[in-house]
Amino acid sequence: AQSVTQPDIHITVSEGASLELRCNYSYGATPYLFWYVQSPGQGLQLLLKYFSGDTLVQGIKGFEAEFKRSQSSFNLRKPSVHWSDAAEYFCAVGGPFGNEKLTFGTGTRLTIIP
Amino acid sequence: GAVVSQHPSWVICKSGTSVKIECRSLDFQATTMFWYRQFPKQSLMLMATSNEGSKATYEQGVEKDKFLINHASLTLSTLTVTSAHPEDSSFYICSARDPGLAGALNSYNEQFFGPGTRLTVL
Repeated sequence: AQSVTQPDIHITVSEGASLELRCNYSYGATPYLFWYVQSPGQGLQLLLKYFSGDTLVQGIKGFEAEFKRSQSSFNLRKPSVHWSDAAEYFCAVGGPFGNEKLTFGTGTRLTIIP
Repeated sequence: GAVVSQHPSWVICKSGTSVKIECRSLDFQATTMFWYRQFPKQSLMLMATSNEGSKATYEQGVEKDKFLINHASLTLSTLTVTSAHPEDSSFYICSARDPGLAGALNSYNEQFFGPGTRLTVL
């Protein structure tokens, strides 16, 4: 069974500081990996995704993530956070055609302090 | 880009009544839609997979007679919470997969999410 672990429930970062959100997955084959962001009371917005190829993927809003197969990780990074980045971040894993159910991690709430 | 809408965005109902939530793909045809449930400060849990023209596939532990799903057209799926109780209060989110993107490099499997519906049962 596929699963996702986000070890950090809540992270607080100063505005302008760098950010790394951790994500570990369990999947029996090549995973399809996603990071989503959710603002309070809103739906999910896709930040970036990894299917294959270059293990460092660039997303929207200045985010990037690195797929490390040996560590079963897909950590999200941003070199300098903005106050508007405060939100809930979810990592998700899915499969290829025929196994497209997404399994989400429990999320990491990001707080930005001035 | 692919846009998914949900209606209503929030609803309050009395215990014992039924509530219908609509999920629409606005600019693409979605053969598959997914329904998720999210409790406060928790993750999304997949409830069911809805395929156009066929019965929905429910996840283990989800009562299919309580959460009725209908995917009657390529742009509309509905979730009806029957005989709602306070414990059904939650944030319900749908997503839709654009089959037109299937096979396109880096677009496979992407789901587009609706803005969610907040259900409160009194």
